[in-house]
Amino acid sequence: AQTVTQSQPEMSVQEAETVTLSCTYDTSESDYYLFWYKQPPSRQMILVIRQEAYKQQNATENRFSVNFQKAAKSFSLKISDSQLGDAAMYFCAYRSGGTDKLIFGTGTRLQVFP
Amino acid sequence: DGGITQSPKYLFRKEGQNVTLSCEQNLNHDAMYWYRQDPGQGLRLIYYSQIVNDFQKGDIAEGYSVSREKKESFPLTVTSAQKNPTAFYLCASSILGQYNEQFFGPGTRLTVL
Repeated sequence: AQTVTQSQPEMSVQEAETVTLSCTYDTSESDYYLFWYKQPPSRQMILVIRQEAYKQQNATENRFSVNFQKAAKSFSLKISDSQLGDAAMYFCAYRSGGTDKLIFGTGTRLQVFP
Repeated sequence: DGGITQSPKYLFRKEGQNVTLSCEQNLNHDAMYWYRQDPGQGLRLIYYSQIVNDFQKGDIAEGYSVSREKKESFPLTVTSAQKNPTAFYLCASSILGQYNEQFFGPGTRLTVL
């Protein structure tokens, strides 16, 4: 069975600095998708970024980028120029290409200090 | 405004009672999902549905039931058989396709008294 591991329960960063959140996953499949979701205090989940396993190029969305290391099964999220509004829980998620089911990690709580 | 609505935001029930959580979407999405969130455990899939009148169990379906009579609606019933129902419940929907990106509603906090 596929699993997603987020080994950092909490992280903190100074405003305007850069922070990286870690995620590793375990799968024997070659067709899959990876996602990072943000859950602010309102608790509504917001999609931050996604990565297709067949793409070698790392996905980027404005200040958010990923470091996708397929052989190492690693999918870290880098947040540049951190803002106070980035403070939230961040969840890494995996989806096999053959299913609709998302498998989530346990999340990383990010604090941003002014 | 297009989106997913869940009601109520907070729900209290007594032990032994069934309760139904509402989820509606006007995004014309094919698939809908129910997740449960507990502290320190991330989100776990309860049920999902790809088309009307069809649904599949997720990883923790015991003690829950769903229906999908309309494309827009996917209510979740928490039955008295669910041993530990106090949790935050999130509904999501997606267009079936390459990415199946799931969009989430604001959630319902259920507390059993």
